[in-house]
Amino acid sequence: DQQVKQNSPSLSVQEGRISILNCDYTNSMFDYFLWYKKYPAEGPTFLISISSIKDKNEDGRFTVFLNKSAKHLSLHIVPSQPGDSAVYFCAASGVSSNTGKLIFGQGTTLQVKP
Amino acid sequence: ETGVTQSPTHLIKTRGQQVTLRCSSQSGHNTVSWYQQALGQGPQFIFQYYREEENGRGNFPPRFSGLQFPNYSSELNVNALELDDSALYLCASSLGGARADTQYFGPGTRLTVL
Repeated sequence: DQQVKQNSPSLSVQEGRISILNCDYTNSMFDYFLWYKKYPAEGPTFLISISSIKDKNEDGRFTVFLNKSAKHLSLHIVPSQPGDSAVYFCAASGVSSNTGKLIFGQGTTLQVKP
Repeated sequence: ETGVTQSPTHLIKTRGQQVTLRCSSQSGHNTVSWYQQALGQGPQFIFQYYREEENGRGNFPPRFSGLQFPNYSSELNVNALELDDSALYLCASSLGGARADTQYFGPGTRLTVL
């Protein structure tokens, strides 16, 4: 049962344009969502998070949008840079889980072309 | 501030053997979570340790066990290794305990079981 889904395995954008990565979830008890970036041979690096009490959070070039009614979140990167090329994972957590454990999607590979 | 570190970086074992992986949490963090990441998948939660006690477990058999020490570093032990245990093992530290919180990951240990 895949509770967090990233339906696009890959995305390719031109440098300077917007990258939009999408994530869907099924568990309405999730109340904290995160995006991580992962380069080969490295661990995931935290990018940005959002609590379910918000619908938007910005940090520099990165903005996360949360649509609770649709159980959907997205990460916008503007402008995209070649160094953003990596695998992006969305993750979700719920207070009710008692652990704060993260449930991850399968990842989306972003390629930013110069 | 020291980030999350893991050792060893790579490990090769044969079926039936036992392995111990180590993790040092980020300075000030009291919670360590372990994840298994198979090729092409997102990380999957194994278990979490909070103040030296197991604080939740994912869908992994009892041959996966762990420890947390008074300095909050942690070990993951896997007995009776199987071929499917080949994966990247990630450790993440946080301040959260049972509270949903941002988890910061180490670089991982790549385990190969032959």
